[in-house]
Amino acid sequence: GAVVSQHPSRVICKSGTSVKIECRSLDFQATTMFWYRQFPKQSLMLMATSNEGSKATYEQGVEKDKFLINHASLTLSTLTVTSAHPEDSSFYICSADTGYNQPQHFGDGTRLSIL
Amino acid sequence: GESVGLHLPTLSVQEGDNSIINCAYSNSASDYFIWYKQESGKGPQFIIDIRSNMDKRQGQRVTVLLNKTVKHLSLQIAATQPGDSAVYFCAEKGAAGNKLTFGGGTRVLVKP
Repeated sequence: GAVVSQHPSRVICKSGTSVKIECRSLDFQATTMFWYRQFPKQSLMLMATSNEGSKATYEQGVEKDKFLINHASLTLSTLTVTSAHPEDSSFYICSADTGYNQPQHFGDGTRLSIL
Repeated sequence: GESVGLHLPTLSVQEGDNSIINCAYSNSASDYFIWYKQESGKGPQFIIDIRSNMDKRQGQRVTVLLNKTVKHLSLQIAATQPGDSAVYFCAEKGAAGNKLTFGGGTRVLVKP
């Protein structure tokens, strides 16, 4: 149980393109999902908390107009990287919370490469 | 582009030996702790968790120890196998609601 699916797994696109990444909880409902960014050989950095039916909460230093988050249902959150540039190239990972004193379960990440 | 990353601490272990990975946490208000395994190009995978009212919990080939006095967490892997080669992260929950705070990670390399 507690499977999180993330799509696409890899994106390569030109500078200026907007890219949408989907995160789905397959066998459970997730009121809260999270989006992380991970640089090589580093830990996960929380970008934002995605709340079903309400606005996302962004961590300090993360541009909300750059990284648009939509959580329209209890099983789907999307992250759109708008007008992506090479510095946005990274590994983006989503997770879904399963409750108090319960783990977050993670998708397999999206490798974004902006040329 | 992506920044140059720091080198993760690496634990090299002989196949069949036991591994011990350590983690220090900073927030005494954290009440739930998790170990994750991350293989190259994949997301973190849940291994084992422990609540703050416990000091030890065992799973299949893994044991987590929690020392709240010194805010230390460890993961022990018994009879380490090649498939255990990965980066291991500890994470704490509770101080800031349902957010996780991750440790820096340790790379485990299993030598045949």
